[in-house]
Amino acid sequence: GQNIDQPTEMTATEGAIVQINCTYQTSGFNGLFWYQQHAGEAPTFLSYNVLDGLEEKGRFSSFLSRSKGYSYLLLKELQMKDSASYLCAVRPSAWVSGGYNKLIFGAGTRLAVHP
Amino acid sequence: DAGVTQSPTHLIKTRGQQVTLRCSPKSGHDTVSWYQQALGQGPQFIFQYYEEEERQRGNFPDRFSGHQFPNYSSELNVNALLLGDSALYLCASSLGGRAQETQYFGPGTRLLVL
Repeated sequence: GQNIDQPTEMTATEGAIVQINCTYQTSGFNGLFWYQQHAGEAPTFLSYNVLDGLEEKGRFSSFLSRSKGYSYLLLKELQMKDSASYLCAVRPSAWVSGGYNKLIFGAGTRLAVHP
Repeated sequence: DAGVTQSPTHLIKTRGQQVTLRCSPKSGHDTVSWYQQALGQGPQFIFQYYEEEERQRGNFPDRFSGHQFPNYSSELNVNALLLGDSALYLCASSLGGRAQETQYFGPGTRLLVL
């Protein structure tokens, strides 16, 4: 089966650091994505991990542990504009997806940044 | 660089009607995937089109069908609309149909079925 879990809501203070966790159980694994989605808008690509470890991109970092089925997104120096939903998505392995590009999403974590 | 575009932005239909949603992929992309996002949920994969063929399908009934045109744009058709079809419909484009490519999303079409 396929299951992706993330916290439903989180709150944080402007300027602080927040970590959004994602655990997954999928039939095979071929990469994990984080997307940001502001209310009523399209998801925008933030990061991609396929190997274990940390990927850093400016204020955003994403970590992956394949053996634990676990990822987190780390947001530093939070700004008010970071208030959004953060979606964790897993791409099944090619032998499951037929080699095609399909994403399985979690329900998303709604982050509220307060002054 | 033109991003993914979708039309219309909003749509209201009644039960039993049919609807067609449209998507133009990001410049240079040739693969289009469609997702349904219910309120408060993550997107769910409907199907993917590459080289004008449906390559893979999620757990959606045959009421959901699609098409891809030679210019890579795509349509999603939903027949016999149900109240539960009310959702944000997202189109995502990627390159070359390869599994390693990142998908980029359009702004979506918000469908309300009354």
